[in-house]
Amino acid sequence: DAKTTQPPSMDCAEGRAANLPCNHSTISGNEYVYWYRQIHSQGPQYIIHGLKNNETNEMASLIITEDRKSSTLILPHATLRDTAVYYCIVRVPGTYKYIFGTGTRLKVLA
Amino acid sequence: EAQVTQNPRYLITVTGKKLTVTCSQNMNHEYMSWYRQDPGLGLRQIYYSMNVEVTDKGDVPEGYKVSRKEKRNFPLILESPSPNQTSLYFCASSLIGLAGVEQFFGPGTRLTVL
Repeated sequence: DAKTTQPPSMDCAEGRAANLPCNHSTISGNEYVYWYRQIHSQGPQYIIHGLKNNETNEMASLIITEDRKSSTLILPHATLRDTAVYYCIVRVPGTYKYIFGTGTRLKVLA
Repeated sequence: EAQVTQNPRYLITVTGKKLTVTCSQNMNHEYMSWYRQDPGLGLRQIYYSMNVEVTDKGDVPEGYKVSRKEKRNFPLILESPSPNQTSLYFCASSLIGLAGVEQFFGPGTRLTVL
C-alpha cells in the first residue's frame, strides 16, 4: 500500500535552512510526490511537487533521490511564519486516492 | 477570487440527526474530495469525485455519503452521525492531469457529534 513516513517533529533556527525528510519507498514509477503544509487548523496549503527531478519554486526546493524512495523538502531561509505541520503525500497508483500520513511539525525558533 | 468554500464552519449536533456539509468551488475543477482530520492521524480521505456523477471511496468512507450533481458542488452527507465522526473536515478541489496537480483546500468544518 502507498504510504509515507515522516519524523513527527523538527526544530529549526530562524534564517537557517529547514530540511524535512520523507520516506515513500512504495511509490510507483509514475506517481508524483506532493508537499503541503498546514498552519494551525487551516486548510492545507500546496507547496511543491515532483516526479524524479529536483524542483524549486518561490516557496521551497524539493530533492528526490534517484531511486525515488525518499525526498527532502528544503525551506532555504526559514521564518517564524513557516512554523506548521508539513505533509508529504503520494497517490495510490492508478487512482486519485491521496495518502497524507501524519506529517512533521516544524517549529521555527527565534 | 479562486476559492473553495465550506458551510457550516462549525456544527454541533446529536447522534442520529442527519446533516449535510456543503462544499463549493469556483475554479471549474473536475476533481473534488473530502478529508477528515483527527489528532495524531493526519488527514484521511473520505470520498473523491473525478467529475459530475463520478465518485469513489477513499480510505475512510464508512458512515458518509457524497453526491456530485453539479461540477462546482460536492456535499458530504452524514445520514446518521455518531460521536466517532466528530472531526475536522476539509473539502478540496483540483484539475485532473497527467502531470502533478495542486489541490486547493477549503477552510474546514469542525463537527461535534454528541
